[in-house]
Amino acid sequence: ETGVTQTPRHLVMGMTNKKSLKCEQHLGHNAMYWYKQSAKKPLELMFVYNFKEQTENNSVPSRFSPECPNSSHLFLHLHTLQPEDSALYLCASSQDRSTYEQYFGPGTRLTVT
Amino acid sequence: QKEVEQNSGPLSVPEGAIASLNCTYSDRVSQSFFWYRQYSGKSPELIMSIYSNGDKEDGRFTAQLNKASQYVSLLIRDSQPSDSATYLCAVESGGSNYKLTFGKGTLLTVNP
Repeated sequence: ETGVTQTPRHLVMGMTNKKSLKCEQHLGHNAMYWYKQSAKKPLELMFVYNFKEQTENNSVPSRFSPECPNSSHLFLHLHTLQPEDSALYLCASSQDRSTYEQYFGPGTRLTVT
Repeated sequence: QKEVEQNSGPLSVPEGAIASLNCTYSDRVSQSFFWYRQYSGKSPELIMSIYSNGDKEDGRFTAQLNKASQYVSLLIRDSQPSDSATYLCAVESGGSNYKLTFGKGTLLTVNP
């Protein structure tokens, strides 16, 4: 595997389900990011981890819970989501949080029914 | 609220023409600027970065930066149908925030 990978690529979940998104980067980077991309809106930064420590929570609702066990892996745990949470969720990484060149994974297309 | 503005398009150009994509930003202290290309149904791909005033060329792509005018642009020479995508402008937020602010993107269509 190379670059940034994400699983699953597509996810349909009900409002009462619990699911997790997984991201793995093979670039030797130390910072990882979760973004939300909705139609007609700019990319929205959700969370930032730098050397496994969360450095940014961009006022994200608590139904989204990130986890970063090491610099290569990032999870986004989802529970009791709303239909408006349906979007493309993108993981990205960079050398560290002060390096702005970010590399994105393929994303998870989430649909909440 | 730091903002990055792009024309949403669509911008339509014939094959072989020059496509010009524009971006303005609100934060005067921003120092780093990026262009990402996003094909339909795919994730953003970093294609250019620019840090100093002036032009930076990479193959058919040229990024132009004017910090005084808070303006950054991307020129694509000899446009190809494969360049058809949404182009996202991203600007470093400045200071110690260490964040990128993205524009909504400009949809470019290159017609054969």
